Amino acid sequence: ETGVTQSPTHLIKTRGQQVTLRCSSQSGHNTVSWYQQALGQGPQFIFQYYREEENGRGNFPPRFSGLQFPNYSSELNVNALELDDSALYLCASSLGTGGLNIQYFGAGTRLSVL
Amino acid sequence: AQKITQTQPGMFVQEKEAVTLDCTYDTSDPSYGLFWYKQPSSGEMIFLIYQGSYDQQNATEGRYSLNFQKARKSANLVISASQLGDSAMYFCAMREGLSYGNKLVFGAGTILRVKS
Repeated sequence: ETGVTQSPTHLIKTRGQQVTLRCSSQSGHNTVSWYQQALGQGPQFIFQYYREEENGRGNFPPRFSGLQFPNYSSELNVNALELDDSALYLCASSLGTGGLNIQYFGAGTRLSVL
Repeated sequence: AQKITQTQPGMFVQEKEAVTLDCTYDTSDPSYGLFWYKQPSSGEMIFLIYQGSYDQQNATEGRYSLNFQKARKSANLVISASQLGDSAMYFCAMREGLSYGNKLVFGAGTILRVKS
């Protein structure tokens, strides 16, 4: 196990609602990255947080937002949910942002939007 | 253009045999890293192996080795002595060197099924 934990494991929401997903990073890791994985596809980078600051963002609209806390845990918030937001959301933690910094993933949160 | 291409949607291999999963990549950055992850049906992405663009030798980790051909821009994963527990989705990913952030770009994946 990687030590990266995500909650909840499954979630069902309806279109237009808001959702918050949580991630606890591996002990000692100060960087958290979030990915969206649609069914049958590879993960897509949403954004990354390093020492509580956003450190890169993928091609996702502003209704996808995040936070990182002083203990380096993180939240992903999605407002105005759309049907296409149904996916597995993966969180990965790493020590730093460059060099050989392996990203270790949690088991994900499976979000269904009805 | 696709950054990472995995051309094999699915592969079968007999238990105890070796299998190669293909990955080609596209980047103009001289500094980059290539990763392979395994994703069982549970969903967790498990890190397997890493190859840096400046590494002179192919990476190996236990039964996993990476066949890195820089001129061809390929980074194929070789799994030796396949086991039933190797059945999973396998993703190739790339991190480009000094770009802002440390994002991974993933391919579409290859499903591997190990037969007994």
